[in-house]
Amino acid sequence: EAGVVQSPRYKIIEKKQPVAFWCNPISGHNTLYWYRQNLGQGPELLIRYENEEAVDDSQLPKDRFSAERLKGVDSTLKIQPAELGDSAVYLCASSALRTANTEAFFGQGTRLTVV
Amino acid sequence: GDSVTQMEGPVTLSEEAFLTINCTYTATGYPSLFWYVQYPGEGLQLLLKATKADDKGSNKGFEATYRKETTSFHLEKGSVQVSDSAVYSCALNTGTASKLTFGTGTRLQVTL
Repeated sequence: EAGVVQSPRYKIIEKKQPVAFWCNPISGHNTLYWYRQNLGQGPELLIRYENEEAVDDSQLPKDRFSAERLKGVDSTLKIQPAELGDSAVYLCASSALRTANTEAFFGQGTRLTVV
Repeated sequence: GDSVTQMEGPVTLSEEAFLTINCTYTATGYPSLFWYVQYPGEGLQLLLKATKADDKGSNKGFEATYRKETTSFHLEKGSVQVSDSAVYSCALNTGTASKLTFGTGTRLQVTL
């Protein structure tokens, strides 16, 4: 079974430029998460999808961040324009159910460096 | 709000030494507790979990017991190997928010 696939693995951009990250969750997983992990910190949730609906985007900086999950499968996270403080690892995860004890499966992440 | 506190790393041990990584939490309600591990070059993967008080999660020789009275979920292994070198992250999920809240992670380095 293929795991959660993210691309690209690494991205270096200049500030004020746009950037997009792509995620393909595990087949059949209805719940998809985007987390951001700053250096030396644990991952923090940006947005959670149930199928194609964003059910928790309270931590997403909506002035510059956007996300979509077309047809309830793949998802894209975009930043426009990027700022120096956006440098972090962006993690995508998926799970089959959204109960408290359900395991979330993570991709390898995209390491973004804004210069 | 929910939070997880882990002991700071890095932790450096010799092979076959005993490992403890402390984890305490603050949560509303009754969370499920998890330990995730990230090996070099790989993504986060679930190591073990416990869903209610006094449950013990175990996997690959690692164990952790859900202690409600001390709000703790310490990770232990009796004899570590070089291959256990990784970052270990404690997390909780209360279900209400249906999201994982992570600690900062503890890097373990095991040497020969």
